[in-house]
Amino acid sequence: ETGVTQSPTHLIKTRGQQVTLRCSSQSGHNTVSWYQQALGQGPQFIFQYYREEENGRGNFPPRFSGLQFPNYSSELNVNALELDDSALYLCASSHSGTDEAFFGQGTRLTVV
Amino acid sequence: GENVEQHPSTLSVQEGDSAVIKCTYSDSASNYFPWYKQELGKGPQLIIDIRSNVGEKKDQRIAVTLNKTAKHFSLHITETQPEDSAVYFCAASLSGYSTLTFGKGTMLLVSP
Repeated sequence: ETGVTQSPTHLIKTRGQQVTLRCSSQSGHNTVSWYQQALGQGPQFIFQYYREEENGRGNFPPRFSGLQFPNYSSELNVNALELDDSALYLCASSHSGTDEAFFGQGTRLTVV
Repeated sequence: GENVEQHPSTLSVQEGDSAVIKCTYSDSASNYFPWYKQELGKGPQLIIDIRSNVGEKKDQRIAVTLNKTAKHFSLHITETQPEDSAVYFCAASLSGYSTLTFGKGTMLLVSP
């Protein structure tokens, strides 16, 4: 086990709704990254948070947003959900200045 | 940006055989190359990594090789076991930034 926990594990939402996913990072890790993994694909980088600030973003629209809290936990928010947002959302924690990233089990989001 | 290609997409071997998965990357600045194993319903698990100042790294039955000039790296699993069956992902990043670009994955099936 990596010590990275995500909630909820599964979620079903309707198109147009908003969703919030949560991640608790591994003890001692101060950086959290979020990835989207579509079925049969590799994870795609959404954004990264370090010291409560966004520290890099992939090719995702602004309706994907996030937060990091003082305890280094993080949230991913997605507004105006689209059917193509259905995917496994993964959180990875790491420590600044190191390379190893450790993933949680993911949240399976289904948009209907 | 970085692009990572991974081959093959599926690989079937008999227990005890060796398995090799190959990846190429496009950005010569990338210098950190991890490999992840993802079992059904779980998040990716870091199994081995290599940095660009090293040509080969081994950990028991798994090894990774890197050819910086050709911009490709490979995962080698010897004496495969049924529990090695999973999807394997290669990734590339710039050391210190921990934002990963993944390949599309290889489904490894090890038959008893």
